[in-house]
Amino acid sequence: EVHLVESGGGLVQPGGSLRLSCAASGFTFNNYWMSWVRQAPGKGLEWVANIKQDGSEKFYVDSVKGRFTISRDNAENSLYLQMTSLRAEDTAVYYCAKKMSSSSGYDYWGHGTLVTVSS
Amino acid sequence: QSVLTQPPSMSAAPGQKVTISCSGSSSTIGSSYVSWYQHLPGTAPKLLIYENNKRPSGIPDRFSGSKSGTSATLGITGLQTGDEADYYCGSWDISLPGYVFGTGTKVTVL
Repeated sequence: EVHLVESGGGLVQPGGSLRLSCAASGFTFNNYWMSWVRQAPGKGLEWVANIKQDGSEKFYVDSVKGRFTISRDNAENSLYLQMTSLRAEDTAVYYCAKKMSSSSGYDYWGHGTLVTVSS
Repeated sequence: QSVLTQPPSMSAAPGQKVTISCSGSSSTIGSSYVSWYQHLPGTAPKLLIYENNKRPSGIPDRFSGSKSGTSATLGITGLQTGDEADYYCGSWDISLPGYVFGTGTKVTVL
């Protein structure tokens, strides 16, 4: 059974940093694109970043380019999101999601981890 | 900023049908597969439809998807109280490039 478990969320001050982790199990992690998706309070889903199976390609939503870095450790079956220069508008539940294929949607999601950016 | 437009809300009685539209463009739906997701607050989103009209195993055939040009549609028949949730379409945007979700539709079962 596929499991995606996020961790690392919490309260951080504006301008601060945080590193999110996602532990994956139940599938061959290094065969799939992985992503981070977030949902701000009262808002809809927003895709944040994608990373290819071997980490050679990464894509980001414009609002996080230069501040967030997606990475993965295939030996540890783990996905990461390093977030720096955090802003209030980054406050959201962050979900780890597994892509079905390069051209398809997300078939498995974690339950999310809450990031709150506030002073 | 979503580039896929959905109606904010829809409602129907139990047993009835709802059809949720998702309007995109040539760089999104016109060029890529569409997926649909069901999201209940506080839970993990669930994939309902992928590659425009395919259902993952375990998703009942009450849920259906279609795509035409730059628009897509999710249909839910035999509406149940458990279907009350937010529904999102999603597609790759080749102009960004990046994945985009729809604005979301809240379905209420009357």
